[in-house]
Amino acid sequence: AQKITQTQPGMFVQEKEAVTLDCTYDTSDPSYGLFWYKQPSSGEMIFLIYQGSYDQQNATEGRYSLNFQKARKSANLVISASQLGDSAMYFCAMREGLTGNQFYFGTGTSLTVIP
Amino acid sequence: GAVVSQHPSRVICKSGTSVKIECRSLDFQATTMFWYRQFPKQSLMLMATSNEGSKATYEQGVEKDKFLINHASLTLSTLTVTSAHPEDSSFYICSAPSRDRAGEAFFGQGTRLTVV
Repeated sequence: AQKITQTQPGMFVQEKEAVTLDCTYDTSDPSYGLFWYKQPSSGEMIFLIYQGSYDQQNATEGRYSLNFQKARKSANLVISASQLGDSAMYFCAMREGLTGNQFYFGTGTSLTVIP
Repeated sequence: GAVVSQHPSRVICKSGTSVKIECRSLDFQATTMFWYRQFPKQSLMLMATSNEGSKATYEQGVEKDKFLINHASLTLSTLTVTSAHPEDSSFYICSAPSRDRAGEAFFGQGTRLTVV
């Protein structure tokens, strides 16, 4: 079974609008971390936001927020006020356990911001 | 600024030759380094985990004799693609776990390998 599932291969959003990128995960470990990374065409992986499994509140980092629905095992990324520079691939990832270092990545969502 | 520096960013090599990719952790010691491979428009696939001073752990299906990993110091891990073939052409990226931020991994800039 896939650890991380991203069902949107491609998304379009109008500049200045908000967009939600979907991510669901699968784990039986009660301790885990969820991450979102942005990968522009240059290839580098840029950390956006982190949510721990025990965190009570949804994580926020500037224009990025993570809609954490633990019972549904979903961790959707919300980007508000989209900018042209947001066009990139977005990957959802999970790290299991307190000491596990391995990241499991989803297949990614290609976001295009339309002017 | 980057906390993991990966070099080279792009390399083109002839079939049959070997290519070495370096990942250095800047301002921190990385006892563990992950090596990923990414095909165009696909996700990152973990190839191996290198641990300083010990043998790397390879994922199933990854040839350890073809993808040599060395982690001789706490700041440097290398991946050598030996006897490269066109099918080895891919984007290779390393990452080191963060100590400060819970679970975050710092990624290198990636290396785009083209074997001709």
